[in-house]
Amino acid sequence: DAGITQSPRHKVTETGTPVTLRCHQTENHRYMYWYRQDPGHGLRLIHYSYGVKDTDKGEVSDGYSVSRSKTEDFLLTLESATSSQTSVYFCAINDDSNQPQHFGDGTRLSIL
Amino acid sequence: AQKVTQAQTEISVVEKEDVTLDCVYETRDTTYYLFWYKQPPSGELVFLIRRNSFDEQNEISGRYSWNFQKSTSSFNFTITASQVVDSAVYFCALSVNQAGTALIFGKGTTLSVSS
Repeated sequence: DAGITQSPRHKVTETGTPVTLRCHQTENHRYMYWYRQDPGHGLRLIHYSYGVKDTDKGEVSDGYSVSRSKTEDFLLTLESATSSQTSVYFCAINDDSNQPQHFGDGTRLSIL
Repeated sequence: AQKVTQAQTEISVVEKEDVTLDCVYETRDTTYYLFWYKQPPSGELVFLIRRNSFDEQNEISGRYSWNFQKSTSSFNFTITASQVVDSAVYFCALSVNQAGTALIFGKGTTLSVSS
């Protein structure tokens, strides 16, 4: 299995609070991605990173920010969580755009 | 713009039946990659196969086979002699040949195999 760890695995929080999800990899892969999975939508890209301090927006980036200060860590932050951000969040990595992305086990986030 | 359509939302079969999951894609790029992922009830996403746009050879891996047809923009997945352990959500995905490009996922097909 690709060495990807997401933390926390589960989180319940209240509307308006900040939330940070962490993705940690041990593969030294260049690219890292954050997706959200919602019923009826499949997986949709939030943000991705193509190197340390290099990030770009995805399809559903509103309300989210990311940071990558080290190759191995990619953080996803919800500055002020809303109920519409209740979802399962997946981190993925690969070393080249044409290679398969390998996914972490996901973080289930509930915002009440 | 790229798009992946999995028209079958849910499929139910009985063990040992063959089942085909459909995937239709849209892209204007001439170089692209197609993928299938499996998401079992435990929730993780498992990579199954990658196919590039220049390779239309069908592929077989055990009970799994994939049929790629550029003429119909389809990349269908067949499970032969299905088993209960095949019960999962299956996603078809597309990426184009750009650095760091994300996967464009279909909405998934839920396959239920009963004994």
